[in-house]
Amino acid sequence: DAGVIQSPRHEVTEMGQEVTLRCKPISGHDYLFWYRQTMMRGLELLIYFNNNVPIDDSGMPEDRFSAKMPNASFSTLKIQPSEPRDSAVYFCASSFGIGITEAFFGQGTRLTVV
Amino acid sequence: AQSVAQPEDQVNVAEGNPLTVKCTYSVSGNPYLFWYVQYPNRGLQFLLKYITGDNLVKGSYGFEAEFNKSQTSFHLKKPSALVSDSALYFCAVRFVMFSGGYNKLIFGAGTRLAVHP
Repeated sequence: DAGVIQSPRHEVTEMGQEVTLRCKPISGHDYLFWYRQTMMRGLELLIYFNNNVPIDDSGMPEDRFSAKMPNASFSTLKIQPSEPRDSAVYFCASSFGIGITEAFFGQGTRLTVV
Repeated sequence: AQSVAQPEDQVNVAEGNPLTVKCTYSVSGNPYLFWYVQYPNRGLQFLLKYITGDNLVKGSYGFEAEFNKSQTSFHLKKPSALVSDSALYFCAVRFVMFSGGYNKLIFGAGTRLAVHP
């Protein structure tokens, strides 16, 4: 398996534009996590899914952020409208089962909002 | 409250010396604990995890971690540091409820390890 695949790797957009980040989890994994990493706030969990269903979205910062998982092999994180404070590296991770199984991370998407 | 803490922003160590990166946690029930490493411009890579009953866990690249239930700690260790170990290290804890699929994985703030020649 190629691991968790995120696209794009880099995204530069203007304030107010819509941004969509994409993630393909490892085949067979039933959990998918979205994280945001910044210098100030570290690695924050935004939302996670189990079998394509959102379980906990308490980390989503505000209504401008939304995430979907239409099927087991694809998820999106959308920001509309984007703001400069959304600039960060966004990671997707997937894992199988509950508890002791480790999560595998993608390479991340570096988002810059100007 | 359930949480994970890494009290040190940075750890400096000379090459060849032992290293310790600290992690403490607060969780109800059995803890599911992990260590990850992040190199510049890369995603997080899994190093090791705590398995119930093994207080000393061995992982990748010569790293190990010591679980101490009474101190609620899971410190990362390596007997002899390498310059190539310099990276950002994250401790993580998983909060689980087997009913409903609750399986939240959260990370500490990270500790930057700098190994000097």
